[in-house]
Amino acid sequence: QSLLTQPPSVSGAPGQRVTIACTGSSSNIGAGYDVHWYQVLPGTAPKLLIYGSSNRPSGVPDRFSGSKSGTSASLAITGLQAEDEADYYCQSYDSSLSGYVFGIGTKVTVL
Amino acid sequence: EVQLVESGGGLVQSGRSLRLSCTASGFSFGDYAMSWFRQAPGKGLEWVGFIRTRAYGGTTTKYAASVGGRFTISRDDSKSIAYLQMNSLKTEDTGVYYCTRSSSLYTNSPFYFDYWGQGTLVTVSS
Repeated sequence: QSLLTQPPSVSGAPGQRVTIACTGSSSNIGAGYDVHWYQVLPGTAPKLLIYGSSNRPSGVPDRFSGSKSGTSASLAITGLQAEDEADYYCQSYDSSLSGYVFGIGTKVTVL
Repeated sequence: EVQLVESGGGLVQSGRSLRLSCTASGFSFGDYAMSWFRQAPGKGLEWVGFIRTRAYGGTTTKYAASVGGRFTISRDDSKSIAYLQMNSLKTEDTGVYYCTRSSSLYTNSPFYFDYWGQGTLVTVSS
């Protein structure tokens, strides 16, 4: 069982806004550790999408945004596009495990 | 351009060993910690371990509990290669193994993983 909880799937029509929640606990997100998000397109390696909870690496469209509050974080995709169909993982550090933890991943489907 | 290329995966029997390599290019390898992850078939991402830089504590390593004592990460900065030595392999170690460059926002803060290789498949048979 993952220490970070994500919905298994979300969907939206092209152009819509979707959000993916990532819920942790007092030993990870709630302890102040940053949340990072990765996009995994079918058949490809993970790609860093958001780091430090809300920062976008160069080259990542500003349609992607991240936020964090309390023991939760979220990833928002605005203006959903067909190319955004992928799995999205949140990741943080957990002090009780002294290691890095991921959510189970959320599959985004563009209707 | 940052590139990470894993190699060394394959089919191996339970109890045997395998060594994966991660060849890096496009950045100053010795200045970055390196980490390994894996993804079992149909499962999510799992952190395996990391190795720090020589400048930060002399290439100290840390491992997930699931692999501690069996897996060892090392690095050869002269060749820009990170290694994952896997001993006493179990069927549950089957999966795609990724190496990543590890960065941090601040000194001593936990890593995030900004570049990933394409992965190499390890299959452990019983």
